[in-house]
Amino acid sequence: QTVVTQEPSFSVSPGGTVTLTCGLSSGSVTTSYHPSWYQQTPGQAPRTLIYSTDTRSSGVPDRFSGSIRGNKAVLTITGAQADDESDYYCVLNMGSGIWVFGGGTRLTVL
Amino acid sequence: QVQLVQSGAAVKKPGASVRVSCKASGYSFTNYYMHWVRQAPGQGLEWMGVINPMGGLTTYAQKFQGRVTMTRDTSTSTVYMELSSLRFEDTAVYYCARAVVVAGSPGYWGQGTRVTVSS
Repeated sequence: QTVVTQEPSFSVSPGGTVTLTCGLSSGSVTTSYHPSWYQQTPGQAPRTLIYSTDTRSSGVPDRFSGSIRGNKAVLTITGAQADDESDYYCVLNMGSGIWVFGGGTRLTVL
Repeated sequence: QVQLVQSGAAVKKPGASVRVSCKASGYSFTNYYMHWVRQAPGQGLEWMGVINPMGGLTTYAQKFQGRVTMTRDTSTSTVYMELSSLRFEDTAVYYCARAVVVAGSPGYWGQGTRVTVSS
């Protein structure tokens, strides 16, 4: 079974830029997987950041952007702020109506 | 605005079943798929399945096949997720999440329902 892969953890300096990735244990992520990205802080429901690869959800600042880079979907955060410190998840459409989440990336801003 | 209100927390014994409800408002209920996602304590998000409220068709993750049933009531704009044969490892927060576009990825999230399986 194909696994959706994400970096377990990442750190970024305040004001810096970070790129989180979402890949497959076998194969390449393309726009056909409709990658979406979510931000979650402890005790809260996830917040939708990006859907369909690069469409920003309503109210999400343009510091957050999504794209395909090489064989992965990526979430880029520019001008990192303290409150960007969260868990970030991607989800991919694996076909036949099945969606699979990645394991998540814990982002530290320090 | 889109609003999803889920039922309250539940405590169940191993082997029992739990039914979680999710009442939708602020949009046309039958026009958007509804996903169910769960999160065990300290773990990541796990997709369980999706229901098309228009005709009630469902797609479930293989892991939950045979144990999960998703239904809807169009008269009350409510979807339900029932999980049977509960195990300790089913202890989690369960979320409903409306598709961001018609049959797209989860986009609008409920507040979550904590289900605890304890003897």
